[in-house]
Amino acid sequence: DAGVIQSPRHEVTEMGQEVTLRCKPISGHDYLFWYRQTMMRGLELLIYFNNNVPIDDSGMPEDRFSAKMPNASFSTLKIQPSEPRDSAVYFCASSLGQGWRQPQHFGDGTRLSIL
Amino acid sequence: KQEVTQIPAALSVPEGENLVLNCSFTDSAIYNLQWFRQDPGKGLTSLLLIQSSQREQTSGRLNASLDKSSGRSTLYIAASQPGDSATYLCAVNNNDMRFGAGTRLTVKP
Repeated sequence: DAGVIQSPRHEVTEMGQEVTLRCKPISGHDYLFWYRQTMMRGLELLIYFNNNVPIDDSGMPEDRFSAKMPNASFSTLKIQPSEPRDSAVYFCASSLGQGWRQPQHFGDGTRLSIL
Repeated sequence: KQEVTQIPAALSVPEGENLVLNCSFTDSAIYNLQWFRQDPGKGLTSLLLIQSSQREQTSGRLNASLDKSSGRSTLYIAASQPGDSATYLCAVNNNDMRFGAGTRLTVKP
């Protein structure tokens, strides 16, 4: 079975530009999570969805960040406008049923560099 | 706020040695605790998940224990191999996933 698929794997862009990260969860999984990983702060949960509905977005750092899940097989994380401090690796993960009680399966991440 | 600490931050051992990685957390009201492995440039691979009602889980050469009352978990790796070299992270769930900073393990041939 295909795992969680993220695209692009790497993104380099200049500050002020809009950045869109994409995620395809494992088929049948009903929970989707977005995380950010930096050297300074480690792994942080940004937002998670259940059945395509955002449940908790308290980890989203600023209004410049937004996430959507238009259907069960696709989610986006958008940063507009981007800033150098947004540089990080962004991970998407999915799980099946009962959210926090089941193992989360991670994608390989998107390494984002804002110049 | 839940805080998760992993000790040591880095560990280097010769091949074949048994080793223990430690994870501690401040709030014992958790659903479960999960151990992950992260290889450079890759995502996280789930190794073991221990529900709050469980004391330990085993998978192959890996054994994870959980002591909720003391806020501790250990990951035991038996007969370590160079292929075990990676960063190991623990994460605790109580409606919010909190990760430790990880232990970077190097197993030398």
